[in-house]
Amino acid sequence: KAGVTQTPRYLIKTRGQQVTLSCSPISGHRSVSWYQQTPGQGLQFLFEYFSETQRNKGNFPGRFSGRQFSNSRSEMNVSTLELGDSALYLCASSFAGGRDEKLFFGSGTQLSVL
Amino acid sequence: AQTVTQSQPEMSVQEAETVTLSCTYDTSESNYYLFWYKQPPSRQMILVIRQEAYKQQNATENRFSVNFQKAAKSFSLKISDSQLGDTAMYFCAFPSNAGGTSYGKLTFGQGTILTVHP
Repeated sequence: KAGVTQTPRYLIKTRGQQVTLSCSPISGHRSVSWYQQTPGQGLQFLFEYFSETQRNKGNFPGRFSGRQFSNSRSEMNVSTLELGDSALYLCASSFAGGRDEKLFFGSGTQLSVL
Repeated sequence: AQTVTQSQPEMSVQEAETVTLSCTYDTSESNYYLFWYKQPPSRQMILVIRQEAYKQQNATENRFSVNFQKAAKSFSLKISDSQLGDTAMYFCAFPSNAGGTSYGKLTFGQGTILTVHP
């Protein structure tokens, strides 16, 4: 079974641009969540999608958005990039997002904003 | 709101020795789960072990075990017979529903960098 796939692995953008990151979950998994990891703030939850609906949202500005498609693949978008958006963005999937479920993580997208 | 605290930014251990990583948390829930994840240099987070709060027995997975003390809200990870491949950043994590409709949000501690020396 293929793992969680995130593309691209690395991305360099300039301030003011927008970016779209992609995540393909493990086959059969319907819950996809996104996390931002920075040295200063650590791992912070962005949002979670299940069956194309956002079920949970973290404390990030509206510039951060996401969506999930009918095949459970998910994308997150960051508009009007700021220097502080430079981070490793991790995607994780699980069958249904239950509290006892193990999350399977991708290897992340490293975003650098110049 | 749930909080998770790891007070040891870095730890080191010699190969084959035992090391314990600390984690404390705060929650008003009575039934919950706790997790330890590791993040090696490859960056991919991997589940190490899971504990159910209503179970008295501490979870074990091969060389990994936890010391779960519910009253003290403490959840430490013990790694026995440390191996070079255990070198990674370790995160304690707590699933919460963030006011939403599921438990798909994990609150992570700040992480502990563990280095295993030969």
